[in-house]
Amino acid sequence: GQQLNQSPQSMFIQEGEDVSMNCTSSSIFNTWLWYKQDPGEGPVLLIALYKAGELTSNGRLTAQFGITRKDSFLNISASIPSDVGIYFCGSSNYKLTFGKGTLLTVNP
Amino acid sequence: DGGITQSPKYLFRKEGQNVTLSCEQNLNHDAMYWYRQDPGQGLRLIYYSQIVNDFQKGDIAEGYSVSREKKESFPLTVTSAQKNPTAFYLCASSTRTGGYGQETQYFGPGTRLLVL
Repeated sequence: GQQLNQSPQSMFIQEGEDVSMNCTSSSIFNTWLWYKQDPGEGPVLLIALYKAGELTSNGRLTAQFGITRKDSFLNISASIPSDVGIYFCGSSNYKLTFGKGTLLTVNP
Repeated sequence: DGGITQSPKYLFRKEGQNVTLSCEQNLNHDAMYWYRQDPGQGLRLIYYSQIVNDFQKGDIAEGYSVSREKKESFPLTVTSAQKNPTAFYLCASSTRTGGYGQETQYFGPGTRLLVL
């Protein structure tokens, strides 16, 4: 079946640092979605990408839909303590598939 | 405000008891989903419904049941047959954004189910 490989599994960074995480797959997708989940809460959609090569920003977040349609990355610039949480990707062709998430910890 | 609501936030189940988790959306989305989230396991699909009065089993449907009588509502029942029900349950709905396979999914706030 389709699998998304999300990396890294966890990150521990200092406040103010930039962060990068990515999702890759052997399958081709038509949509890439990035979510953030706080403890005990539902995931919140951060960025949605619908076209290969598309680069989209949402405040300090930037995500790109890979040209091969098999990968996507999410960057967070100038991290702050409230960026702490689990970030995970989702992608779809005929069905939705999700990565297992990247746990981000920000040290003030 | 458009969105997805789930209730209750916390639910306690006794042995042998069936419990029902509520999910309502006012986004006018056709498709709705139920996921189970366990630590280290990611999201696992329980059931989904693409249209009213129709639903399909996901990857871990055993011990669960659903109904879709209204577009806005997709309740999940955790039956006594589900032997390990303690988990965080997430409801989601989605819309087709454009071309084939372009689907954007939104999640509710979740319900945590605990067994007494």
